[in-house]
Amino acid sequence: EMQLVQSGTEVKKPGESLKISCKASGYTFTNYWIGWVRQMPGKGLEWMGIVYPGDSDTRFGPSFQGHVTISVDKSTSTAYLQWSSLKASDTAMYYCAIQTFYYDSSGVFDIWGQGTLVTVSS
Amino acid sequence: SYELTQPPSVSVSPGQTARITCSGHDLSEKYAFWYQQKSGQAPVLVIYEDSKRPSGIPARFSGSSSGSVATLTIGGAQVEDEADYYCYSTDSSGDDRVFGGGTKLTVL
Repeated sequence: EMQLVQSGTEVKKPGESLKISCKASGYTFTNYWIGWVRQMPGKGLEWMGIVYPGDSDTRFGPSFQGHVTISVDKSTSTAYLQWSSLKASDTAMYYCAIQTFYYDSSGVFDIWGQGTLVTVSS
Repeated sequence: SYELTQPPSVSVSPGQTARITCSGHDLSEKYAFWYQQKSGQAPVLVIYEDSKRPSGIPARFSGSSSGSVATLTIGGAQVEDEADYYCYSTDSSGDDRVFGGGTKLTVL
């Protein structure tokens, strides 16, 4: 069974750095693009970005380019979402997900992780 | 940046047909996809490529697209279908990938 398991809840202060993870299992990690979606409290889904684990080709949504880093570790089948300096506005649920329907960077996610809640507050 | 517009809410009685629309300038060129998100859960893909159902999605879920409007139809909506529904697509270049603002479906 294809599965994505995300790291746990984080509580951080503004200005701190953070790296959350998404561990994949049940498939060959380098076969599918993997990406991230933000959901701020009480709000809708926002497409953040996507990476191809085979060569780390990465694409970002316009609102997220330059604000976060997306990376992978092929040796552990894990994807990461990283911030260098958090803001209160980064408070959200973050989902990782993969797309198995397409082999391009369409970003159509069909298998999702359980989400990681990030709270940034002083 | 590209935008997809959905009604904030739709309400139907059990057994009625629910229709949720998604408007976007480039939907005449690009496929629409639909996600269901129940409270406290991760989204689930219910329709892909305008009208196709992934394995395991009930047949009462269907989709269509005409011009710049895509529509998710739930025929004979059930209480368990109460959720937020999001459309997804890209702009004509494929570079701007966006979700619609979401529609809260109430079935009661």
